[in-house]
Amino acid sequence: QVLLVQSGAEVRKPWASVKVSCKASGYTFTNYDINWVRQATGQGLEWMGWMNPSSGSTGYAQRFQGRVTISRDTSIGTAYMELRYLTSEDTAVYYCATVGLGAGFDLWGQGTLVTVSS
Amino acid sequence: SYELTQPPSVSVYPGQTASITCSGDKLGNKYVCWYQQKPGQSPVLLIYEDKKRPSGIPARFSGSNSGNAATLTISGTQIVDEADYYCQAWDSSTDYVFGTGTKVTVL
Repeated sequence: QVLLVQSGAEVRKPWASVKVSCKASGYTFTNYDINWVRQATGQGLEWMGWMNPSSGSTGYAQRFQGRVTISRDTSIGTAYMELRYLTSEDTAVYYCATVGLGAGFDLWGQGTLVTVSS
Repeated sequence: SYELTQPPSVSVYPGQTASITCSGDKLGNKYVCWYQQKPGQSPVLLIYEDKKRPSGIPARFSGSNSGNAATLTISGTQIVDEADYYCQAWDSSTDYVFGTGTKVTVL
């Protein structure tokens, strides 16, 4: 079964960092780009960045430049998204998703809730 | 930065047709995807490359894209189609951008 399984919910204090994992199974991890998307409660989807798991190349949305890092461990088929200098506005569900059909995100993880609170 | 605008809400009776627009500058020059998201669930890809449906997506979902707007059409809307819908565009200059989202209510 083709799956992306994300790590569990996290709680952080302001100015801390969080690292969310996304483990792929059922397909060759290095064959498809992975993207990260977040969604604050009651809000829309916001694209954060992408990574080519084969080369390690990355690209980030301008508003997250310098604050986010997407990485991977190909030996275990897992991608990571680290977000630094957290504020309450970063409280959201974070999703990983693969790019497959026509630049569409065709496989999504279950989401990881990150709560930032003092 | 590039922006995609959708109406906040659309209401439709069962069996009728719902149309959701997604507006952006020269959007017709980009590929557009559409996603459906139900409460508490991850989004699901409905349409890619403007009008193509992934395997398993019902034929009542269709898409088009021209000029400055893309449209998702749900023909013969069913109660199970009540959800939030998002458009998404991509090109080499803007990377990925999501629309503002539309809540579809089936009356």
